[in-house]
Amino acid sequence: EAQVTQNPRYLITVTGKKLTVTCSQNMNHEYMSWYRQDPGLGLRQIYYSMNVEVTDKGDVPEGYKVSRKEKRNFPLILESPSPNQTSLYFCASSFGKGDTQYFGPGTRLTVL
Amino acid sequence: SQQGEEDPQALSIQEGENATMNCSYKTSINNLQWYRQNSGRGLVHLILIRSNEREKHSGRLRVTLDTSKKSSSLLITASRAADTASYFCATDDSWGKLQFGAGTQVVVTP
Repeated sequence: EAQVTQNPRYLITVTGKKLTVTCSQNMNHEYMSWYRQDPGLGLRQIYYSMNVEVTDKGDVPEGYKVSRKEKRNFPLILESPSPNQTSLYFCASSFGKGDTQYFGPGTRLTVL
Repeated sequence: SQQGEEDPQALSIQEGENATMNCSYKTSINNLQWYRQNSGRGLVHLILIRSNEREKHSGRLRVTLDTSKKSSSLLITASRAADTASYFCATDDSWGKLQFGAGTQVVVTP
């Protein structure tokens, strides 16, 4: 089944404790992206990648890191999480930029 | 700042009625897409319209695009309770950045 998977789905952590949210797609998509969703603000793009080893900042990259060492995986890293990073995070992939995005199920992160 | 802005923020209608929502954006785009999100879940793609297209249909969905006004509309005809969801427009620029609006919450009552 074609899909985007994210793990974990739910995470509660404390300020400053490094964490990684994994994202994997099995559709051989070149474009992958991370978003955060907050009430009243819609989805805001954090980082995107147009291919392996190519990553670019979205609208809200501060406090986040990504890597794209393999085509299928695009992990999101929070080196030192803070409470303002409490949010619902979505990973998405597509064949190319501007194409239909396929979204993962989301990761609900709470930083205490 | 957000590229796409949906209007209205919320819409409540009865089954069988049509629902129309609008999206305005600020800069030149390649494509404009509409997505649906059921509460707290991942977004599902509805329709993509390219900058050189003016109208597109998919089932009960009709999307228009007016690049001179930098706006798009999504019409859902003969709405059903299952159409209850949030609807988002998304635009992409030449560099690959994708921007979503804040969304329109639609409630369809039986």
